[in-house]
Amino acid sequence: DIQMTQSPSSLSASVGDRVTITCRAGHNIVSSVNWYQHKPGKVPELLIYLASNLQNGVPPRFSGGGSGTDFTLTISSLQPEDSATFYCQQTYSTPYTFGQGTKLEIK
Amino acid sequence: EVQLVESGGGLVQPGGSLRLSCAASGFTFSGVWMHWVRQAPGKGLEWVSRISGDGSDTAYADSVKGRFTVSRDNVRNTLYLQMNSLRGEDTAVYQCARDPCPAGVCRFESWGQGTLVTVSS
Repeated sequence: DIQMTQSPSSLSASVGDRVTITCRAGHNIVSSVNWYQHKPGKVPELLIYLASNLQNGVPPRFSGGGSGTDFTLTISSLQPEDSATFYCQQTYSTPYTFGQGTKLEIK
Repeated sequence: EVQLVESGGGLVQPGGSLRLSCAASGFTFSGVWMHWVRQAPGKGLEWVSRISGDGSDTAYADSVKGRFTVSRDNVRNTLYLQMNSLRGEDTAVYQCARDPCPAGVCRFESWGQGTLVTVSS
């Protein structure tokens, strides 16, 4: 199974800040990484697919990067509505493992 | 509009069984992969199982292999998860997710709200 190690597990940042979350795969997974945003009481929302492709309707302040084993999700200018837990996921091979999540709090 | 509505959750004793359903609408159900994902209380997302559009290809997390079976009815546009030999650690909200996986680029584009399964005596 491919482990996905996400960091940090939590962070606190201010509106307007640039925030980066990282995800490390235990195996070369090329670009097979997706990122999701999950707010309490809501369904997870796909933000980024295939490491760097922005899903339709997602604000351009979200971006993804990386390949191989190291991946990043960046929010260029944090907004109040971005408070959520973010997950990376690999779809290189089953089981399609998720990272443990990063809880983002807005100061 | 894509809709995924899960049902079938509830309280079950350890060792018991339950069958979850996910009713799909608003898209060509037989044309997409479908997945089950769960979230235990206070924990993160855990992928459980997937099934191909025609039902011929399935896969499972190690934690449920041999106990859970995924299936689908492309006439009724419904996804199922048969859960047997349930354990306390299976307690979670179970969500179905739609994955069009175009050209092998798989991603979970739509999710249901989920159904709660509680395994307890």
